[in-house]
This record gives sequence, C-alpha cells and structure tokens, in this order.
Amino acid sequence: EPEVTQTPSHQVTQMGQEVILRCVPISNHLYFYWYRQILGQKVEFLVSFYNNEISEKSEIFDDQFSVERPDGSNFTLKIRSTKLEDSAMYFCASRDRTGREGAFFGQGTRLTVV
Amino acid sequence: AQKVTQAQTEISVVEKEDVTLDCVYETRDTTYYLFWYKQPPSGELVFLIRRNSFDEQNEISGRYSWNFQKSTSSFNFTITASQVVDSAVYFCALSGSNSGYALNFGKGTSLLVTP
Repeated sequence: EPEVTQTPSHQVTQMGQEVILRCVPISNHLYFYWYRQILGQKVEFLVSFYNNEISEKSEIFDDQFSVERPDGSNFTLKIRSTKLEDSAMYFCASRDRTGREGAFFGQGTRLTVV
Repeated sequence: AQKVTQAQTEISVVEKEDVTLDCVYETRDTTYYLFWYKQPPSGELVFLIRRNSFDEQNEISGRYSWNFQKSTSSFNFTITASQVVDSAVYFCALSGSNSGYALNFGKGTSLLVTP
C-alpha cells in the first residue's frame, strides 16, 4: 500500500540551528501539507502546497518556515532558526485530486530543540 | 471561521462496552468535509472516514459507525463492543474551500479501553 514517508523519525537540534524535515508524498498525489502537534495537544495546520507553490498557510507558518519541492518526489519543511517552542511532532500529508480518502499522513518527525 | 469541538477530553471504558465520541463543528462553507482520525500510542495518524456535507447517510464499518447530523452540526463516532486495541486518541477534523481544504482538527478525545 502506498504511504507517505518522513525522515528522520526523530531529530534533536540546538536552539538557533536550521533543520530540514523531509517527506516523500504518495507518488500520484498533488496536494501536500505540513502539520504540527505539540506534545499532548491537537494537530495544527502549518501550510499547504499545490502546483509548486504555497496555497494556504497558518499564522504559525511565519518567516522562519519555508517549504520546497526540490524534485519530483521530495517535499521539505525548513525551520531557519529553531526555538524551544518549535519542539513538536511534524506530520507531512498528501492527498489526491479528489481527497475522497482524506489526507494520508506520514509517521511524523519528532523534533526536539534543546 | 472553522471550529471543531470535541468536548470529551478523556473516556475510559471496559472492554466490550459501546462508546460514542462526540464532535461538533462550525463552518461558513456550504461544501465541507468531515473526518475522523485515530492516533494510537505509536503516534501516527490513521484515517478512518471522510464525510461530505451533502451526504448525511450514516455509515457503518465493522464495529465503527458514524452519525452525521447537519441540523446539529455534529459528526459523532461510535465504537461497538470496544477492544483494548481501540485505545488511542481520536481526532475529528473539518476541511472546506475557505481554508484550501486544509484539515482543522479538534483537540482530540483520548479513549482508554481496559480489559
């Protein structure tokens, strides 16, 4: 069964460092998303990406964040200068044109900023 | 603006009991979609169901059933004869055209099923 793949599964970084979280969406999907879940809290939308550009972003997605689809398969989230409060689980998701089966989520990357 | 409310923070039941997880939503979209996701202790998000706003038919899938009532803006989820493996956090979510179909999640209900 096709799946969304995220790497790494866990990343520890020092405050102020840049991190790149990587995702390989399902191959025939067209819409890509990043979500964040701070420990014990709800899943929050960060950004959606379609046709090689950002289509929606939330207030959380400030200038510290950027997304890129550098090739035909990867979808990355970059945090330029990490803060302690960026510690969270980051989920990548993708869906097809219809969205009939909802968005498929990756396993998540747990980011710990120390 | 969209909002999803899951008023039950935690529910604990004994195995084989039925349990209903409540979800109430608010949206200005005329076309929208409602979802339930399961998050087991391992952390991944597992898609359970999607419902269109124009399809109010209830759905049953094995021990799971969903009751969509547009009149009360609710999309409740019932697990019949619960099992220990059902223990997880369950999220209700909403998407619509005004948000580019991004998912707006509720805070989740943590379900604990004990033997």
